[in-house]
Amino acid sequence: DVLMTQSPLSLPVTLGQPASISCRSSQSLVHSDGNTYLHWFRQRPGQSPRRLIYKVSNRDSGVPDRFSGSGSGTDFTLKISRVEAEDVGIYYCMQSTHWPFTFGGGTKVEIK
Amino acid sequence: EVQLVESGGGLVQPGGSLRLSCAASGFTFRSYWMFWVRQTPGKGLEWVAGIQYDGSARYYVDSVKGRFTVSRDNAENSLYLQMNSLRAEDTAVYYCVTHDRSRSVDYWGQGTLVTVSS
Repeated sequence: DVLMTQSPLSLPVTLGQPASISCRSSQSLVHSDGNTYLHWFRQRPGQSPRRLIYKVSNRDSGVPDRFSGSGSGTDFTLKISRVEAEDVGIYYCMQSTHWPFTFGGGTKVEIK
Repeated sequence: EVQLVESGGGLVQPGGSLRLSCAASGFTFRSYWMFWVRQTPGKGLEWVAGIQYDGSARYYVDSVKGRFTVSRDNAENSLYLQMNSLRAEDTAVYYCVTHDRSRSVDYWGQGTLVTVSS
């Protein structure tokens, strides 16, 4: 199975400041069709996960443009340009290139 | 409005069986792969099973192969997970998920708790 490793585990951030989460996969996430199926999710307490970014850098519908994704191959990054209070939660990277799909262990974003 | 509503969770003894159901509405159910994902505090989020649009292809994580069966009824807009020979490590919240990896389509239900314990 593809192992997804996120860092940091915990990310205290000041409101209005940027935040960055790293995700590394144990093997390339480039599919035979040429696409890279790396996605980012956020889960707020008591809620189901919600996808924010799909295929590395595409924002899902309704996701603010302060969220951006980048990367290639095995190394990926999620950035929040200016953290707002509603951004708290656990962020997960996830790959759907190889079955079984796999999630990272999560990064907890909290306000300082 | 898109809705995925799971049901069927509960407390079951080790070795027992449960059938989870997911009722979908608000989107063209028959056009999408559907999945079951489970979450535990210890193991995090795990993709358990997936089924193609017409049910012709199914995938399972190794830990449930031979014990779980995913199925769907496109006429009823419903997804199912038959879970047999349940083990303590199957204890989790089970989510019904629509995941399109190429388009902005990714829907999750609210989850149903399965507890395997004597």
